[in-house]
Amino acid sequence: DVKVTQSSRYLVKRTGEKVFLECVQDMDHENMFWYRQDPGLGLRLIYFSYDVKMKEKGDIPEGYSVSREKKERFSLILESASTNQTSMYLCASSLRLGQFFGPGTRLTVL
Amino acid sequence: GESVGLHLPTLSVQEGDNSIINCAYSNSASDYFIWYKQESGKGPQFIIDIRSNMDKRQGQRVTVLLNKTVKHLSLQIAATQPGDSAVYFCAEKTQAGTALIFGKGTTLSVSS
Repeated sequence: DVKVTQSSRYLVKRTGEKVFLECVQDMDHENMFWYRQDPGLGLRLIYFSYDVKMKEKGDIPEGYSVSREKKERFSLILESASTNQTSMYLCASSLRLGQFFGPGTRLTVL
Repeated sequence: GESVGLHLPTLSVQEGDNSIINCAYSNSASDYFIWYKQESGKGPQFIIDIRSNMDKRQGQRVTVLLNKTVKHLSLQIAATQPGDSAVYFCAEKTQAGTALIFGKGTTLSVSS
C-alpha cells in the first residue's frame, strides 16, 4: 500500500514565524502535491512537483514556497505565517493518475 | 470554466439504504475521474476511479457511473453502513494535466 506521511498532525505557530511542513511518500512516485482544505472551499492546490527540484504553482501559491530535494520528500514552507494560513494542509503523491493523501496537518497561526 | 461540483452538500440516509452521491463537471476534456472519502480528522481516501472510455465501474459495495453526454458522475453505495458516514469528493483530471480538480464535497450521514 502507498504510504504518505506528514511530519505533524497538529501544529500551532505565531504570526511571522517560518513554518515547515514535511511530507514523505514511500512508493517512488514522481508527482507530489500540497493542498489546503478550508470549510466551504474544498481542496485548493498550493504547489505541486513532478520531479526532484521541479515545482509548479497551483491555484493559491501566494505566501507559500516548496522544496523537493529528494524524490520521496516534498516540503511546504510558510515564510512568514499569517492568521489566514490557519488551515488543514494535505499532501498527496501520484505516479500517473490517482493521488494518495497523507493524514493532514492542522495548522493554527495565532 | 473548469470546475467540479456536487449537487448536494449533505445527504442523510438510513442504515441499509442505497446512497447516491452526484457530481457535475464542466470540462469535456476531462478523461479520468476519482471518488474520495474523507472521514473526520483524516486525509481523503481513494474509493474508486473511472476513465472516460467507460460508463460504469464497480467495486466492493460501490459503483461509479459516468455520463459524458451531460458531464455527470455519480457514486452509488449499496447497503449504506454507519461507517460510510464521511465527506465524499469527486475529482477530475484532463489528459494533459497533472493535477486533479476537486469538487467541494457531499457530507453523507448514516443513521442506524
